[in-house]
Amino acid sequence: EVQLVESGGGLVQPGGSLRLSCAASGFTFNTYWMNWVRQAPGKGLEWVANIKQDGSGEYYVDAVKGRFTISRDNARDSLYLQMNSLRAEDTAVYYCARQSLYCSAGNCYSGIDYWGQGTLVSVSS
Amino acid sequence: DIQMTQSPSSLSASVGDRVTITCRASQTVSTYLNWYQQKPGKAPKLLIYAASSLQSGVPSRFSGSGSGIDFILTISSLQPEDFATYYCQQSYSTPFTFGPGTKVDIK
Repeated sequence: EVQLVESGGGLVQPGGSLRLSCAASGFTFNTYWMNWVRQAPGKGLEWVANIKQDGSGEYYVDAVKGRFTISRDNARDSLYLQMNSLRAEDTAVYYCARQSLYCSAGNCYSGIDYWGQGTLVSVSS
Repeated sequence: DIQMTQSPSSLSASVGDRVTITCRASQTVSTYLNWYQQKPGKAPKLLIYAASSLQSGVPSRFSGSGSGIDFILTISSLQPEDFATYYCQQSYSTPFTFGPGTKVDIK
């Protein structure tokens, strides 16, 4: 059974830092792109970042570029999100999510097929 | 970045109704379009990928169509467990933006 378990959320002051972790199990972690997606209280979903299977490529939404860093440790089947210079608008539930590739007739499509339960990050003084 | 819009933002429907939700991209995403369902307090669930392919285990009453910039999610006969919020997402280019969501509630 695929499981993604986030940890590391909590209350932090503006300008502070936090590191989220995600422990993966039930699948071959190093063969999947992994993502972080967040959801502010009462709001919609916002894709934050993703990282290639071997960690050699990372992509971010503009709102977090230069402040957040996604990384992974394939030996530990773990995904991370280092969040620096946190702002009130970063307050959200952060989901760790697996990205699968669905290939047909020479085309491959990405979809997020497994999600963790989420961890709440609150940025407030 | 590609912007996604959805309409309506919310709708009220009855069990057994046919429901359609529209998603529009600010530029072509070909068929790199996913649909998700989210219930309160829960993580989203992938329903449709590649605009029209049903994710494993998803009931066949869900279907997707479209290409380019305009897409539709259809629920052919709404069931009690389908009351939720639905999001589209483009996976054509990063950032993989989501639409703002469509809340489906009970009439």
